[in-house]
Amino acid sequence: DGGITQSPKYLFRKEGQNVTLSCEQNLNHDAMYWYRQDPGQGLRLIYYSQIVNDFQKGDIAEGYSVSREKKESFPLTVTSAQKNPTAFYLCASMTGGGNEQFFGPGTRLTVL
Amino acid sequence: SQQGEEDPQALSIQEGENATMNCSYKTSINNLQWYRQNSGRGLVHLILIRSNEREKHSGRLRVTLDTSKKSSSLLITASRAADTASYFCATDTWGAQKLVFGQGTRLTINP
Repeated sequence: DGGITQSPKYLFRKEGQNVTLSCEQNLNHDAMYWYRQDPGQGLRLIYYSQIVNDFQKGDIAEGYSVSREKKESFPLTVTSAQKNPTAFYLCASMTGGGNEQFFGPGTRLTVL
Repeated sequence: SQQGEEDPQALSIQEGENATMNCSYKTSINNLQWYRQNSGRGLVHLILIRSNEREKHSGRLRVTLDTSKKSSSLLITASRAADTASYFCATDTWGAQKLVFGQGTRLTINP
């Protein structure tokens, strides 16, 4: 089955800890994206990558970091510098030159 | 930045009725897309309309685009309980490989 997976589904973190969210895709897509969604709100872009070993900041990159060492993988680290990290995080991918984004099921992060 | 503003924020109708949601945006666009999100899940692409198109159909979905008013509407005909979800518009601009999403409309279909 082709698709995009995120793990874990639920994640709990203590204040001051870094945590890494996983995103993997086997769609052979070039571009990958990370979004944050707060309750009742739309999606805000954190980081995106159009090619391996390259990525760009989105609208709310502060307190987050990413890497793109493999085409299939785009992990997101939520650092202790992110002041309000509790949110629903969505990963997406898209073919190069395409328009439609394919989304993973999301990870709900809660800071205790 | 939130390019799209959606209206209404919430809509509740009876099963079988039509549902209309609107999206307005601020800058010139290349394409406008609509996505659906079931509660606590990822988004699913519904339909894409290009800036040089005025109307597009897909099954029970009808999308219109008015670039002069910078607005789009999504019509779902003969609604079903399974249509209950949040609906988001998303826009992209020429050369930008990223989307900007609206705040969404939460649609509830009552049986």
